[in-house]
Amino acid sequence: KAGVTQTPRYLIKTRGQQVTLSCSPISGHRSVSWYQQTPGQGLQFLFEYFSETQRNKGNFPGRFSGRQFSNSRSEMNVSTLELGDSALYLCASSLDESPTNEKLFFGSGTQLSVL
Amino acid sequence: AQSVTQLDSQVPVFEEAPVELRCNYSSSVSVYLFWYVQYPNQGLQLLLKYLSGSTLVKGINGFEAEFNKSQTSFHLRKPSVHISDTAEYFCAVSALNNAGNMLTFGGGTRLMVKP
Repeated sequence: KAGVTQTPRYLIKTRGQQVTLSCSPISGHRSVSWYQQTPGQGLQFLFEYFSETQRNKGNFPGRFSGRQFSNSRSEMNVSTLELGDSALYLCASSLDESPTNEKLFFGSGTQLSVL
Repeated sequence: AQSVTQLDSQVPVFEEAPVELRCNYSSSVSVYLFWYVQYPNQGLQLLLKYLSGSTLVKGINGFEAEFNKSQTSFHLRKPSVHISDTAEYFCAVSALNNAGNMLTFGGGTRLMVKP
């Protein structure tokens, strides 16, 4: 069974641009979560989608948005990029058969560099 | 809201020695507790979790953790480490009353195993 796939693996953008990151969950998983990882702030929750609906949202500005498609694949978008958006963006998927974080499967992430 | 504190940012240890990585949390509601490991250039992998029941939890790769409610701690231990255990370890919590997958992570502890 394929794991969580994130594309692209690396991305370089300049300030003011926008970027779209993609995440394909494990087959059958309906929950997809996104996290931002930086050396200074650590791992921070961005948002979670379940059955195409945003179920939870972290404390990030509106420049960060996401969506989930009917096949459970998810994308996140960051508009008007700032230098501080440079980070590893991790996606995690879950079967979500119970209302607990029984087990999240993480992808290897997309490393975004903003110049 | 929840918060997680990992008291040591780095822990150097010799191979075959025991190790303890400390984690304390704060929450106004009951939580589930997790330890994840991140190897270089990879995503996070679940080591173990505490949902309920026995406070001593055994995980993969010989790791175990003990939940102490009175001290709000969830320390990770291994009796004998290997070079391959060199990685970053993250403690995380999730509120029981949260309908979905949303983890709050600690800042991480870098375990450095020396030969």
